[in-house]
Amino acid sequence: QVQLVESGGGLVKPGGSLRLSCAASGFSFSTYYMGWIRQAPGKGLEWLSYISSSGSTIYYADSVKGRFTISRDNADNSLYLQMNSLRAEDTAVYYCARGISSSDWYGAFDFWGQGTRVTVSS
Amino acid sequence: EIVLTQSPGTLSLSPGERATLSCRASQSISSNNFLTWYQQKPGQAPRLLIYGASIRAAGIPDRFSASGSGTDFTLTISRLEPEDFAVYYCQQYGYSVWTFGQGTKVEIK
Repeated sequence: QVQLVESGGGLVKPGGSLRLSCAASGFSFSTYYMGWIRQAPGKGLEWLSYISSSGSTIYYADSVKGRFTISRDNADNSLYLQMNSLRAEDTAVYYCARGISSSDWYGAFDFWGQGTRVTVSS
Repeated sequence: EIVLTQSPGTLSLSPGERATLSCRASQSISSNNFLTWYQQKPGQAPRLLIYGASIRAAGIPDRFSASGSGTDFTLTISRLEPEDFAVYYCQQYGYSVWTFGQGTKVEIK
């Protein structure tokens, strides 16, 4: 079955860095686009970044552009999010999610990991 | 960037009742394919319900339906089951950006 397991979250000081990982299993990882979405405590969902199946196309939300970097290793079935210059407002649960596969483009995410918590505080 | 506004913020209903949730976009979504609905329960990851504005995802009961086009989209739960009480988010894709609505909480009355 499809599994996405995030790791790498934790407590970091403002200005610090973290690298989140998402281990994928149960599907052909290299054929799916992936994304990172976060949810601040008690708040809604915020899309952060997209990466195409090959890794050749990447998009970011303005809120993280220039600070976060998405990448993937298709040989290792892994997705990453390098987060630099972290701010208090980056405190959230971070989810990796799989893009839905279809002959048409839908821009939807059909499987989500359980999330990893990031806290930015001094 | 397209802003999605969901209404109402909270919907208080009883099991068996019909729920109608609205998602309004600040400008027309370029394709109905790009409108998605998710359900999220406390402490859980979001679950895909509907994609392409009206296509139920695998395993989603047929009491969930959705429709709409342009700027106005609706998610309907025909008869609420106890497990349907949750927060529902709409999401759109457009011009290399994904945005979510702020969510509608469906709570037990």
